[in-house]
Amino acid sequence: GAGVSQSPRYKVAKRGQDVALRCDPISGHVSLFWYQQALGQGPEFLTYFQNEAQLDKSGLPSDRFFAERPEGSVSTLKIQRTQQEDSAVYLCASSSSRTGGGETQYFGPGTRLLVL
Amino acid sequence: SQQGEEDPQALSIQEGENATMNCSYKTSINNLQWYRQNSGRGLVHLILIRSNEREKHSGRLRVTLDTSKKSSSLLITASRAADTASYFCATAFAGGTSYGKLTFGQGTILTVHP
Repeated sequence: GAGVSQSPRYKVAKRGQDVALRCDPISGHVSLFWYQQALGQGPEFLTYFQNEAQLDKSGLPSDRFFAERPEGSVSTLKIQRTQQEDSAVYLCASSSSRTGGGETQYFGPGTRLLVL
Repeated sequence: SQQGEEDPQALSIQEGENATMNCSYKTSINNLQWYRQNSGRGLVHLILIRSNEREKHSGRLRVTLDTSKKSSSLLITASRAADTASYFCATAFAGGTSYGKLTFGQGTILTVHP
């Protein structure tokens, strides 16, 4: 079946511009995660949704970062007033786990964001 | 912040040799997962080992987990050029409201020469 998809795959933004990154999880997956991966580093957790509820946003680096999943399926990560330090690959992952028991997470290809 | 450390940071071997990567972590975990990432691609899940398991196999992969030492190792046997990638271990915390979020190491860059 179809995996996790993300769009756009690449985004170049001017500093101060707002951007929106989309994630389509695997159909039926309850859990959805966003991670940020800086160059040469492992991914770092940003936020977690269980269906449409955002249960953990402890990893969001600032109030310029906002995520939503209004119908419990597609999710959007929005970054307002982008800064150069926001340049990274943004990864979305979904999981069938309903209990947060740490089941396998399936990752999308990521969106590579470059802020000039 | 990263949960643990991976060792070595980079590994270069010849095709057919075995590759061993190690991962250490700091807190109690529910499970530990290994992922592979090729240049320009997303993370591909390789194997998951739960905290009550000590060893797991999947094809040419063998993972061990020592919760007393808070460490894991990934062994790739009979490596192929196509195994060239970055390999990450990731831990899912036990307890609290972790929701299964993963904490990744910094990765090991594996290069397999034909």
